[in-house]
Amino acid sequence: AQSVTQLGSHVSVSEGALVLLRCNYSSSVPPYLFWYVQYPNQGLQLLLKYTTGATLVKGINGFEAEFKKSETSFHLTKPSAHMSDAAEYFCAVTVNTNAGKSTFGDGTTLTVKP
Amino acid sequence: EAGVTQFPSHSVIEKGQTVTLRCDPISGHDNLYWYRRVMGKEIKFLLHFVKESKQDESGMPNNRFLAERTGGTYSTLKVQPAELEDSGVYFCASSQVTAGGYTFGSGTRLTVV
Repeated sequence: AQSVTQLGSHVSVSEGALVLLRCNYSSSVPPYLFWYVQYPNQGLQLLLKYTTGATLVKGINGFEAEFKKSETSFHLTKPSAHMSDAAEYFCAVTVNTNAGKSTFGDGTTLTVKP
Repeated sequence: EAGVTQFPSHSVIEKGQTVTLRCDPISGHDNLYWYRRVMGKEIKFLLHFVKESKQDESGMPNNRFLAERTGGTYSTLKVQPAELEDSGVYFCASSQVTAGGYTFGSGTRLTVV
């Protein structure tokens, strides 16, 4: 079985500061990893994904994440926060044997202060 | 292309009543998933369709929940009879491939009173 832990249910940063949202996973087989973002009153939107290959993946809106197998982590970063980044972020894991069924973390709400 | 459409967006029903949620996936997406988020907790898997067939329904809470996918197109999720603990946001998602990430709908917020 897979699991995901997102460290910090709420993260607050100043506009222009580094954004770091933490995600650790547990999986007995090679995982596929995802970050989704949910803006108020909207559905979840795929930010980026890691399946195979390059461990540093770039997504939309300037976000990127690095898959570190030794640390079982997939942290999400953005060099400079923008007010429009305020949203809830979800890390998710799936494995090829699960036919696409994903396990999600509890979510992290990002607040950006002016 | 049109996204994943869910309706209603909100539903408030009394305990014991029946509610049917509908999801229209992106055209051509064979994979359709239902997920639920209760009380701001994690998003939990309910079931997965491939075309009209249930691939995995291991997350369905009990037999009060019934999901169908007519002709491999839209899907419905019926809760009958609804209980208080069924309140939450029900998300539908679709994808072309099973491990490429999903396109989510905006969700249906169900409140059982």
